[in-house]
Amino acid sequence: NAGVTQTPKFRVLKTGQSMTLLCAQDMNHEYMYWYRQDPGMGLRLIHYSVGEGTTAKGEVPDGYNVSRLKKQNFLLGLESAAPSQTSVYFCASSIGASPLHFGNGTRLTVT
Amino acid sequence: AQSVSQHNHHVILSEAASLELGCNYSYGGTVNLFWYVQYPGQHLQLLLKYFSGDPLVKGIKGFEAEFIKSKFSFNLRKPSVQWSDTAEYFCAVNAEGYQKVTFGTGTKLQVIP
Repeated sequence: NAGVTQTPKFRVLKTGQSMTLLCAQDMNHEYMYWYRQDPGMGLRLIHYSVGEGTTAKGEVPDGYNVSRLKKQNFLLGLESAAPSQTSVYFCASSIGASPLHFGNGTRLTVT
Repeated sequence: AQSVSQHNHHVILSEAASLELGCNYSYGGTVNLFWYVQYPGQHLQLLLKYFSGDPLVKGIKGFEAEFIKSKFSFNLRKPSVQWSDTAEYFCAVNAEGYQKVTFGTGTKLQVIP
């Protein structure tokens, strides 16, 4: 049972490049989330999904897009990366209000 | 909207000292409350949770938290910390009817041997 798996683990982008972060969960969870973690700011919600085919904006959605075409996968896209998007990105999943299960994170640096 | 405040950003304790980390939330209705821990270089893991019932909640590794509704607080406690408790601790809230979980800014705990 892998839980929540994020790929890649590390990535360096140049300003203006695009990329997609993949999150996969094998727990049949309905809810999935993307957070970014920055020093002194805790975790801030980027986008989330409450089921296959649905997505919604969180606190800091600008510059990001997401898709949930399959229940087990939640993709986070950066169309044109900016240095302000340098961060550690965490994916999480849950059943409703139950505790979140987190992936191991993706460390993204934008130069 | 729900929000969470953690008062202490950085706490330094000696081993065997007692720990209390503050957490206050703002939401007038029913809430689910959580404490997560993040060890260096790792992802967040659940320490304990409160959904309903006994306001004193016991979690893993000797941690406990008390929900005080009148104070909108959910403080984390441990009677005697160990060096291995060095980590960052996050309080989180999920208000009933909301699909989102909101995190506090975290408290870094450093335990000195």
